[in-house]
Formats: sequence, C-alpha cells, structure tokens
Amino acid sequence: DSGVTQTPKHLITATGQRVTLRCSPRSGDLSVYWYQQSLDQGLQFLIQYYNGEERAKGNILERFSAQQFPDLHSELNLSSLELGDSALYFCASSVVSGRDEQFFGPGTRLTVL
Amino acid sequence: DQQVKQNSPSLSVQEGRISILNCDYTNSMFDYFLWYKKYPAEGPTFLISISSIKDKNEDGRFTVFLNKSAKHLSLHIVPSQPGDSAVYFCAASAPFNKFYFGSGTKLNVKP
Repeated sequence: DSGVTQTPKHLITATGQRVTLRCSPRSGDLSVYWYQQSLDQGLQFLIQYYNGEERAKGNILERFSAQQFPDLHSELNLSSLELGDSALYFCASSVVSGRDEQFFGPGTRLTVL
Repeated sequence: DQQVKQNSPSLSVQEGRISILNCDYTNSMFDYFLWYKKYPAEGPTFLISISSIKDKNEDGRFTVFLNKSAKHLSLHIVPSQPGDSAVYFCAASAPFNKFYFGSGTKLNVKP
C-alpha cells in the first residue's frame, strides 16, 4: 500500500459526459502528479501540482483539467469524453517535487462507451 | 514523440537466471533515470534509480546500468524469482523537468 488513494476504482460512462477522478496523496506529500496509461502505452504525464499550484504540464488535453485543494487532495476533471479517453488514470505523490520518488495510487480505470 | 523507449514488450526468463530489461532514450539532457515495477491492479512502485554521474547502481538483486554514449540503460535482476513477474517501466528526466516513461516490458519468470 503506497498510501496514495484514488477513487473511484472503475468508472464507466458515455461519450460526451464529464467525470471527476479523485486522489488523496500520502500524508505529508506536497506534490501530486496525474498520468494516463492507454492500452499498451506507457505512462503519459498529464499534470503536476505542488502545494496547490500547477507546477508542470504534460500532454494534457484542453478538455481535461485538474486542481489541488488546500487539504492537498487533487481532482482530475475529464469532459466531453471520447472513446479514446478510455484508459487507466494514475495519481502519484511525492514529498516535494522534481526528483523525489513518486508513490503511485492503484489507478482509476475509465471506460467510455 | 517517444523520448523513452522500451522496445521489448515482453520477456520470459527461467527462475534463477538473469533478467535483462532494456531502455533507450533520445534526449541527451536526461540525467536521472528510474525503474518502476507494476503488478496487475496496482500502481507502479519505485524500484531503483541512477544519476548520470554514475554508470551503475546496485540494490540487492537489482542493478541498473547506464551507458550515456549509447543513451541506453538496462535493469538486471539476478537471480530472477517468480515474484519478479510484473511490468517494468523505465523513466527519465532532465533537470527541473518532468519524467518521461517508457511503454513497459512485461517480465514473466517461469518456475
């Protein structure tokens, strides 16, 4: 158990819908990262927050957005969902930022029908 | 643009033998590399890292080798155990930059 929790574990929805994925980092970790893993693909970095502020951005679509709240939990919002958004979405946290070891949650499997 | 590539999607090894997982990168600015292990239905877990100032880092049965001139790193597991069966991801980053992950290699260690 990494100490990072993600909810829900599974999510099935339809195209055009909007969903919110939730992540609680390890106690004391200030950075939260979001990754997308599509079928047979590696982990694609989406976005990083550090202590409530956006720190780094990867290949995140404009339909996706995220935020980190004062209690350090984070949410990833996916809107106007398309079939290709079906993937595993991982959240990770680290103590500070940069080169710190990242601790990953178990992931949320999103299926868009 | 895949800056980190793991060209072998899968690898099968006999228990007790050596497992060698390979990773290539294209960005010469990368100076920090990690390996993560992932079991089904779990998130990746950190395994071992190496900085570009070193060419080898060892932790128990796991050794990572870095060849900067070839932009290549490898993970050696000796001896391999059935519990090592998992997907292994390599990742790399440049200073003050995000991590880029490879697509993973699925290792199967046969008893």
